[in-house]
Amino acid sequence: RKEVEQDPGPFNVPEGATVAFNCTYSNSASQSFFWYRQDCRKEPKLLMSVYSSGNEDGRFTAQLNRASQYISLLIRDSKLSDSATYLCVGGVNNAGNMLTFGGGTRLMVKP
Amino acid sequence: EAQVTQNPRYLITVTGKKLTVTCSQNMNHEYMSWYRQDPGLGLRQIYYSMNVEVTDKGDVPEGYKVSRKEKRNFPLILESPSPNQTSLYFCASRQGLATNEKLFFGSGTQLSVL
Repeated sequence: RKEVEQDPGPFNVPEGATVAFNCTYSNSASQSFFWYRQDCRKEPKLLMSVYSSGNEDGRFTAQLNRASQYISLLIRDSKLSDSATYLCVGGVNNAGNMLTFGGGTRLMVKP
Repeated sequence: EAQVTQNPRYLITVTGKKLTVTCSQNMNHEYMSWYRQDPGLGLRQIYYSMNVEVTDKGDVPEGYKVSRKEKRNFPLILESPSPNQTSLYFCASRQGLATNEKLFFGSGTQLSVL
């Protein structure tokens, strides 16, 4: 079983729709969580960190559920420019301070 | 401009021919790392470095070497490339060692080993 799992999609949604992605993690020691955005074959870029209390940045809302070991990303009022792959990331502050990336969820927003 | 620079952007080589992918950051970051990305598998860590002369294996280190002789540079070396090392490679860095700090990525190197 992968440490961080995501539905690969693609999620095809019309402009203006609300879409949500979930991501599950298996390492209960994970302490840091993020969503990264990756455009086709380009470098990942940090979209937002995920805090225990949940956090919002404009049209994007991230939530963490430690009991069930999943994080979520909600995108409201989808834009064509939101089309990308969204990577879920978990981090453990151990000797290696490693981040574990999910395989990504592909979103396609259509006119 | 703060950035992570990796070269080359594209590389086609043949089995067994040694190659080096360079990575340099201008942000005085302590931590640097190499990842490879394959379809359906996400980014997997190859090697990382917490400081000069301090390197350690990630999840998939076999067939790779790294060095950290200067803080800014972290080259990835493939002594004898094989076709299963065909992949998209990313170098990354962050200021400190804690995982809750932002990771900065280079623009990637698409490697094809024939």
